[in-house]
Amino acid sequence: EVQLVETGGGLIQSGGSLRLSCAASGFTVSSNHMSWVRQSPGKGLEWVSVIYSGGSTYYADSVKGRFTISRDNSKNTLYLQMNSLRAEDTAVYYCARVVYGVDYWGQGALVTVSS
Amino acid sequence: DIQMTQSPSSLSASVGDRVTITCRASQGISNYLAWYQQKPGKVPKLLIYGASTLQSGVPSRFSGSGSGTEFTLTISSLQPEDVATYYCQKYDSAPLTFGPGTKVDIK
Repeated sequence: EVQLVETGGGLIQSGGSLRLSCAASGFTVSSNHMSWVRQSPGKGLEWVSVIYSGGSTYYADSVKGRFTISRDNSKNTLYLQMNSLRAEDTAVYYCARVVYGVDYWGQGALVTVSS
Repeated sequence: DIQMTQSPSSLSASVGDRVTITCRASQGISNYLAWYQQKPGKVPKLLIYGASTLQSGVPSRFSGSGSGTEFTLTISSLQPEDVATYYCQKYDSAPLTFGPGTKVDIK
């Protein structure tokens, strides 16, 4: 059974850093395209970043230069390192497997950035 | 970057009504278009991929069509459990942009 479990969310001050982890089971992270998607309170879905199976990474303009997506193949885990956090980064962050669109989502990790 | 738009932003329809939501891409994306349903407080759920392929387990009242820049999601007979926000997403190449969403309510 495919599962994605995010950890690492919490309350952080503006300018601070946080790392989200997404532990995958039931499939191999390195063989799949993996993404982070976020949703601010009461707002729509916003794509944040993707790491393709080949290792290429891409970011939304809103987080470019501040966020880094990576994976640990030995731990079958996806990460999102978030630096220089801003109030507008407050959101639920979802880990997602991208096949034809996102076919599996994690339960989400809440990140709250206080100013 | 390719922009995704959706119309309408919200709609209210009666049970049994046919409902159509439109998603437009600012440039052609072939059929690399997915539709999601998100119920309040829940994780999004993939309904359709490849613009028209129904994800396993999704009721057949949902259908998708389109290619290039214009796509539609149709609910053939709206049910109370279909109250949700619906999003389209391009997945041809990064950025994997979502549309702004369409909120569907029961009249």
